[in-house]
Amino acid sequence: GAGVSQSPSNKVTEKGKDVELRCDPISGHTALYWYRQSLGQGLEFLIYFQGNSAPDKSGLPSDRFSAERTGGSVSTLTIQRTQQEDSAVYLCASSLGGWTGELFFGEGSRLTVL
Amino acid sequence: SQQGEEDPQALSIQEGENATMNCSYKTSINNLQWYRQNSGRGLVHLILIRSNEREKHSGRLRVTLDTSKKSSSLLITASRAADTASYFCATDEGGRGGSEKLVFGKGTKLTVNP
Repeated sequence: GAGVSQSPSNKVTEKGKDVELRCDPISGHTALYWYRQSLGQGLEFLIYFQGNSAPDKSGLPSDRFSAERTGGSVSTLTIQRTQQEDSAVYLCASSLGGWTGELFFGEGSRLTVL
Repeated sequence: SQQGEEDPQALSIQEGENATMNCSYKTSINNLQWYRQNSGRGLVHLILIRSNEREKHSGRLRVTLDTSKKSSSLLITASRAADTASYFCATDEGGRGGSEKLVFGKGTKLTVNP
């Protein structure tokens, strides 16, 4: 696609429910990143994929968070048993690969846990 | 982990004035990038400066990098109301064998008054 696409753009869920957030990167981009941004804050790194493998999962806050990427393309971030503190905007970005290049961001998925 | 720290946290200026934002970081880097985020939107890449560069220009943007002080500055000249946004610096963790994630600061919120 022309840009990084994320869905849903907004998600309201009840505490304890599971949610899935999807990211469709720019075609041909081998690297994919998930970040989390709380209201008025900076970006918190969650996980990074190179192809389908995740060499750096260091930012995942707890074992309730998981992510996968299939076919070197679409990625899904899953949050199990959501908590109120999970409320944030989840941003996905892709790049051609390697840390020397710029990241292209999607518009984010805003998650609200009631 | 927080690598870049922007200063000031917020900046309000009049249209036509210059805006300067600073970023400090802690570890050695391979490059430093600046991004812009309009309210409620994704981030957009502005400029990348490599560790062996001291200054870079792009249109009304001027970025400097001082690796001895582990700091960078972003100057926006002749500001416009449309420059109102949050600005983030991002660094890679070059001292750790080329980690492929960007670590973002908390950003500077710039308001340009017409």
